[in-house]
Amino acid sequence: AQSVTQLDSQVPVFEEAPVELRCNYSSSVSVYLFWYVQYPNQGLQLLLKYLSGSTLVKGINGFEAEFNKSQTSFHLRKPSVHISDTAEYFCAVSGNTGNQFYFGTGTSLTVIP
Amino acid sequence: DADVTQTPRNRITKTGKRIMLECSQTKGHDRMYWYRQDPGLGLRLIYYSFDVKDINKGEISDGYSVSRQAQAKFSLSLESAIPNQTALYFCATGLSGANVLTFGAGSRLTVL
Repeated sequence: AQSVTQLDSQVPVFEEAPVELRCNYSSSVSVYLFWYVQYPNQGLQLLLKYLSGSTLVKGINGFEAEFNKSQTSFHLRKPSVHISDTAEYFCAVSGNTGNQFYFGTGTSLTVIP
Repeated sequence: DADVTQTPRNRITKTGKRIMLECSQTKGHDRMYWYRQDPGLGLRLIYYSFDVKDINKGEISDGYSVSRQAQAKFSLSLESAIPNQTALYFCATGLSGANVLTFGAGSRLTVL
């Protein structure tokens, strides 16, 4: 089985500052990794995904994440955040069959003006 | 119209009542999932279905049941609701081999 740990439950950051949201996973098999974003009162939207290939993955809204197999991490980064990035961010993992998806507990990003 | 539609969006009910949350999709996906979201716990899988004749329990299926009425419809039932089932419930769909989930907007259930 797979599992995901999001190390920070809340991350406050000033507008235009860089941000990193941390995610570590555990799995005995090859994995696919995802970041989803949940804006207030909405469902989850896919931000980016790693399936194979380049370990640096670019997503929507200027976000990117790097897959590090040796450290079993998939941290999400943005060089300069905006007020509109305030949301809940979820890291997720699935095995290479893609049958089930396991989510972390979420990181609440608050961008301060 | 949304690709994944959940009804109702909000529901308040009493302990012991039977509740059904419905999910329909227009994406043509074969896989459908029900998750619940609780503060600090993230999303936990309740049930999932890979086609109409396939139903599988997730990590927290106790107290819940599901029905896949058609490829596009997947409903979640609480036979006798209890207060600790108060949560935000999400339906999600996926296409086999595509490795991406599409979520509905959620159904907020409050059990008094």
